[in-house]
Amino acid sequence: SQKIEQNSEALNIQEGKTATLTCNYTNYSPAYLQWYRQDPGRGPVFLLLIRENEKEKRKERLKVTFDTTLKQSLFHITASQPADSATYLCAFRLSGGYNKLIFGAGTRLAVHP
Amino acid sequence: EPEVTQTPSHQVTQMGQEVILRCVPISNHLYFYWYRQILGQKVEFLVSFYNNEISEKSEIFDDQFSVERPDGSNFTLKIRSTKLEDSAMYFCASRGDVESGPNNEQFFGPGTRLTVL
Repeated sequence: SQKIEQNSEALNIQEGKTATLTCNYTNYSPAYLQWYRQDPGRGPVFLLLIRENEKEKRKERLKVTFDTTLKQSLFHITASQPADSATYLCAFRLSGGYNKLIFGAGTRLAVHP
Repeated sequence: EPEVTQTPSHQVTQMGQEVILRCVPISNHLYFYWYRQILGQKVEFLVSFYNNEISEKSEIFDDQFSVERPDGSNFTLKIRSTKLEDSAMYFCASRGDVESGPNNEQFFGPGTRLTVL
């Protein structure tokens, strides 16, 4: 069956360190992989998108990698800050169709001062 | 910066009642979506809407659900006879066409929390 898996346990790190979040998938061939941030009681906020033919994407302190052989995406936040504390969701868009998003369950990140 | 808006922010209703959740997508967007998130669970796709018709729907989106774009700005989700298990956050999202930018991502609204008693 098709699965998207993110670490269910919260990730606790010290301010200034790099946070690395993992998204693994099985039985999918996503055309696009997207990362969103979600704060409690709020809607997902788009962060980065990476295409299946791209290995890496960067935006300011954020970096996403996409390994279609390992079926894995890694999401990095460098020089993390307490304000980065939130739940981070990975989501797939398949090619074709009307591009619905298929979400993972999310990983909660807590950055401590 | 343009944003998706949703009203109300919180809706409380009795089981069996009809509810209408409202969304105003970003004005030049063409694709519209509803998702829901039950407390503590993942965001789930409900339905997509393009060119004034449903383009795709999930198994969750049964006959009790309907969507409408009654005018050029609003996009609504109606639940005809609510059940306890419909309690969730409902998110509207919209997306432009391929020329709207390299990312062409979906922008989400803040959500409506629906509580069915």
